[in-house]
Amino acid sequence: NAGVTQTPKFQVLKTGQSMTLQCAQDMNHEYMSWYRQDPGMGLRLIHYSVGAGITDQGEVPNGYNVSRSTTEDFPLRLLSAAPSQTSVYFCASSYRWGQGGNQPQHFGDGTRLSIL
Amino acid sequence: AQKITQTQPGMFVQEKEAVTLDCTYDTSDPSYGLFWYKQPSSGEMIFLIYQGSYDQQNATEGRYSLNFQKARKSANLVISASQLGDSAMYFCAMREGQRDDKIIFGKGTRLHILP
Repeated sequence: NAGVTQTPKFQVLKTGQSMTLQCAQDMNHEYMSWYRQDPGMGLRLIHYSVGAGITDQGEVPNGYNVSRSTTEDFPLRLLSAAPSQTSVYFCASSYRWGQGGNQPQHFGDGTRLSIL
Repeated sequence: AQKITQTQPGMFVQEKEAVTLDCTYDTSDPSYGLFWYKQPSSGEMIFLIYQGSYDQQNATEGRYSLNFQKARKSANLVISASQLGDSAMYFCAMREGQRDDKIIFGKGTRLHILP
């Protein structure tokens, strides 16, 4: 049972570098989302997707890009890393509201990202 | 606009006592769901309980119950007979159904259970 797999688990970047955080799920969930967790701020939604080919912005989308070419994968791209993007990033998946909105999201283990 | 508020940054509770964690929300969508998750120090997100906007009864799951007051837009989590293992961060989340199926979280409450 792989569930939601995030890679890498840890990453250190320099300001201005770009990188992609990978997220894959094997539960055939159409709904996937990315959150960042910062102390005192809870989990803030970055981007989400209700199915392949469909993405939408969350609460804090600036500086991040996403794409959803398959049901399984939902990568998050940092275009030009900034120290303010130092955070723990969580990917999650679930059924769409109409297919099982009462079912919880499944979360990955998180990626701890530091931007120097 | 969709909004979730948890007003208690931290709480200290004696072991075996009941504890209530507050959560208020705002939405104009008549169809929505409310979730509570627990995050221990190890970092994983653990689902605790769900309440739908059309559910007539308050949700219960073992020691967890949800005090759902729809008119007041509150969905407080009640933990009965608290245990040391309940020490963790607790998050309330809301999902809107008819609009854009967005799921947002509150800032969380850190619960400390004292022996």
